[in-house]
Amino acid sequence: AQSVTQLGSHVSVSEGALVLLRCNYSSSVPPYLFWYVQYPNQGLQLLLKYTTGATLVKGINGFEAEFKKSETSFHLTKPSAHMSDAAEYFCAVSDPLSGGYNKLIFGAGTRLAVHP
Amino acid sequence: DAGVIQSPRHEVTEMGQEVTLRCKPISGHNSLFWYRQTMMRGLELLIYFNNNVPIDDSGMPEDRFSAKMPNASFSTLKIQPSEPRDSAVYFCASSPGTGGSTGELFFGEGSRLTVL
Repeated sequence: AQSVTQLGSHVSVSEGALVLLRCNYSSSVPPYLFWYVQYPNQGLQLLLKYTTGATLVKGINGFEAEFKKSETSFHLTKPSAHMSDAAEYFCAVSDPLSGGYNKLIFGAGTRLAVHP
Repeated sequence: DAGVIQSPRHEVTEMGQEVTLRCKPISGHNSLFWYRQTMMRGLELLIYFNNNVPIDDSGMPEDRFSAKMPNASFSTLKIQPSEPRDSAVYFCASSPGTGGSTGELFFGEGSRLTVL
C-alpha cells in the first residue's frame, strides 16, 4: 500500500529565506503526488500536483515541487518565504491502480512558521 | 460558486449522544469524501462515495460510525453513540469524479466535534 512520509513536523524559516518541505512516498506504481496547504481553521486547498509529464511542477503562491522517481521524493520549495506562507502543508499520494485517482493518502503534515 | 458546505461548524456533545454531521458537495462533483483530522493520527480517510455509492469504507473506525449519501447534493456522517475519542475535526471534500480526474479534492471548512 502506498504511504507518505513528511520529514519534520515543524519547520521555521526567516522571511525571505528558502522554504524546503520534504516528502517521500512509497507506491507500487508511479503515483500521482500532491501538496495541499491548510490555513488555521480552514480546510485544505491544493497547492500543486504531479500526474505525468514534466517533473518540476509549479503551483500557487510561488511554490514548486519536483518529482524524483529515483529518490521517491516530492519536495516542496519556495525561493523566498513570506509571512503569509505560515500554515500547515500536507503531501499526499494517490495510487491509480489500488485506490483510484481520487483516493488520497496524506502525510502527517509539516507546520511552517515564518518569522521576521 | 459555492464551495463544499459543512454543518455544524462546531459541535459539543456529551458521551453517548448521537452526532450527525452534514455536507453539501460542489454541484456537479460526483465523488465525496469524509476525512477525520486529529493531532495524534493526522488526516484519515473514513469513506468515499462515487455517484452516491460508497466505494471504500475501510477507514470507518467501527460500527458506531455510518455515512450516507441519499442524493448527489447531500451526505451525512453519523456517530452513535459518541465517545470522547471521537473528538476531532471532520472534513468533507468533493471532486469532479474518477473519470479523468487527477485527484484534486475541494475541502469544506470542517466540523469540529468535541465529545465530553
